[in-house]
Amino acid sequence: QVQLVQSGAEVKKPGSSVRVSCEASGGTFSSYTISWVRQAPGQGLEWMGGIIPMSDTTNYTQKFQDRITMTTDESATTAYMELKSLTSEDTAVYYCARDAKYYYDSSGYYFYHYGMDVWGQGTTVTVSS
Amino acid sequence: DIVLTQSPGTLALPPGERATLSCRASQRVNSNYLAWYQQKPGQAPRLLIYGASRRATGIPDRFSGSGSGTDFTLTISRLEPEDCAAYYCQQYGSSPFTFGRGTKVEI
Repeated sequence: QVQLVQSGAEVKKPGSSVRVSCEASGGTFSSYTISWVRQAPGQGLEWMGGIIPMSDTTNYTQKFQDRITMTTDESATTAYMELKSLTSEDTAVYYCARDAKYYYDSSGYYFYHYGMDVWGQGTTVTVSS
Repeated sequence: DIVLTQSPGTLALPPGERATLSCRASQRVNSNYLAWYQQKPGQAPRLLIYGASRRATGIPDRFSGSGSGTDFTLTISRLEPEDCAAYYCQQYGSSPFTFGRGTKVEI
């Protein structure tokens, strides 16, 4: 059973960037999209966007469009989320999660949604001067 | 963006009672792509229901989902102490895949 293991907590200055990693332990996520979700202190969940591994295909929420980059490594074992121009409002726990199963053929991508069934443990990012 | 409104905000019930949580969408949810997650303090969310009514692997059958279109319900048939948590609905039929603000269940 694949588990997602995230990088450790980060403390960042306003205006800087943070990069969070998400490694698949016990397998890969090559056939699944990866979503990133964040949760500010005492608040609900916020979907930030997702990525199809081993491709340049991403889907970012408009709110983060200008300052977020999601990538995966070539082996589809590690996903990364970089957020730039941090402010105190970016203080949150950031989660990666395994999302839709997908297939690709000459006609394009096909997605099969079964919910976000495997989650990382979360990475706390604190933005403070 | 589709806005999901969850009610009530907090639900306090004794063990053994039935809990009914509501999630209402501002627009029709395509293909009834609606999921429910349970989150306990300090833990990552846990998938309970997907496709509005399909129980995820390993989820007890006291959890059930229903609804279609814009109105969805999560029912916990007999509350157990370990069900004390926040519950979130999420739609993944239209991007961005939005979450509701959650219902806190107290037992």
